[in-house]
Amino acid sequence: DTGVSQDPRHKITKRGQNVTFRCDPISEHNRLYWYRQTLGQGPEFLTYFQNEAQLEKSRLLSDRFSAERPKGSFSTLEIQRTEQGDSAMYLCASSPRGQPQHFGDGTRLSIL
Amino acid sequence: SQQGEEDPQALSIQEGENATMNCSYKTSINNLQWYRQNSGRGLVHLILIRSNEREKHSGRLRVTLDTSKKSSSLLITASRAADTASYFCATDAGTSGGSNYKLTFGKGTLLTVNP
Repeated sequence: DTGVSQDPRHKITKRGQNVTFRCDPISEHNRLYWYRQTLGQGPEFLTYFQNEAQLEKSRLLSDRFSAERPKGSFSTLEIQRTEQGDSAMYLCASSPRGQPQHFGDGTRLSIL
Repeated sequence: SQQGEEDPQALSIQEGENATMNCSYKTSINNLQWYRQNSGRGLVHLILIRSNEREKHSGRLRVTLDTSKKSSSLLITASRAADTASYFCATDAGTSGGSNYKLTFGKGTLLTVNP
């Protein structure tokens, strides 16, 4: 399967812990996106990269959140000092410039 | 914040019937896209319609766009049980570095197709 891959699929952690998610985009897709989706809602844009450059960040991305895309390939999204409100599905997508986005199956984060 | 609002929130039909979902949005757009999401999975791109287009077809899908009313509709003809999923409209108002880099999704319509 050469689609967008996200790891882990599920993450359960205690409040206050740090978590890191990984996204492997479709190869040759220079754009990579992170979204957050809560139950009953559509995805909300968090940030996007063009190659290794992070070009835009949503206000939703507080200073506890950081995303990287070293070398313009895979990306990581880290949440520090997790809070109950961080419980959500975190979706990654990738695309060539100007083309529709291809989504991974997400990482479901549950905060105890 | 959500830009698109789908209507209805939930729709239940019998296999073979047509399903129509509507989407309204608030700001000017470059294009509008429809995505499908099966439970617990990621989103799958269905169709994109540009702001200068009024109607587009893809297989059993028909999308219309009325920019004067800031609304779009998705019609699925001859529905199948496998069409059961949530359907989202997403608008692209990006102007920097080309379009389609920042999508704003609605809350979705949950479609159930009964066999």
